[in-house]
Amino acid sequence: NAGVTQTPKFQVLKTGQSMTLQCAQDMNHEYMSWYRQDPGMGLRLIHYSVGAGITDQGEVPNGYNVSRSTTEDFPLRLLSAAPSQTSVYFCASSYYGDEFEAFFGQGTRLTVV
Amino acid sequence: GQQVMQIPQYQHVQEGEDFTTYCNSSTTLSNIQWYKQRPGGHPVFLIQLVKSGEVKKQKRLTFQFGEAKKNSSLHITATQTTDVGTYFCALLTGNQFYFGTGTSLTVIP
Repeated sequence: NAGVTQTPKFQVLKTGQSMTLQCAQDMNHEYMSWYRQDPGMGLRLIHYSVGAGITDQGEVPNGYNVSRSTTEDFPLRLLSAAPSQTSVYFCASSYYGDEFEAFFGQGTRLTVV
Repeated sequence: GQQVMQIPQYQHVQEGEDFTTYCNSSTTLSNIQWYKQRPGGHPVFLIQLVKSGEVKKQKRLTFQFGEAKKNSSLHITATQTTDVGTYFCALLTGNQFYFGTGTSLTVIP
């Protein structure tokens, strides 16, 4: 099992550009989520999905879109990048078991200039 | 939304000293999870606590859930350089994870 795979690992965007961060998991987990991590702020939930075809907003959804057409994939789209979106982005998946632990991908470091 | 406050933000210890990080909430928690993130890495799940007063141990790590289920702690006995990283508490409510701001641990050899 590869676990949770995120691409790219690093990205530099210009203000106003759009892009998609990819996230795929091969563990057949129903739940997937996206977080951003900023210094001193911990991890903040952007969007999440409880299964294919179902998505919902988290704590900081503005400026981001998601879709979940398959169980495996959960891409995050930045519609018009802004410097405030410079951050490290993590995708995670979880299964509905006793512990519901989050399995994280390696992260994408995004810089918007 | 739910908030969990985590203290301290930073902790520097000499190797061999103990370390404790605390997670506090103003509301009763149904569960609390702990994660470790090594520098440059991603968060990795350590443990979940669900019962009032629960104590769980993993080698030198001791996790505790308060009797009122409003706070939790992670204690590391005799720190080693491999313990370096940021420790986060997290709670799952509804279908949303809320993470604390983390405690960054530096271990001085």
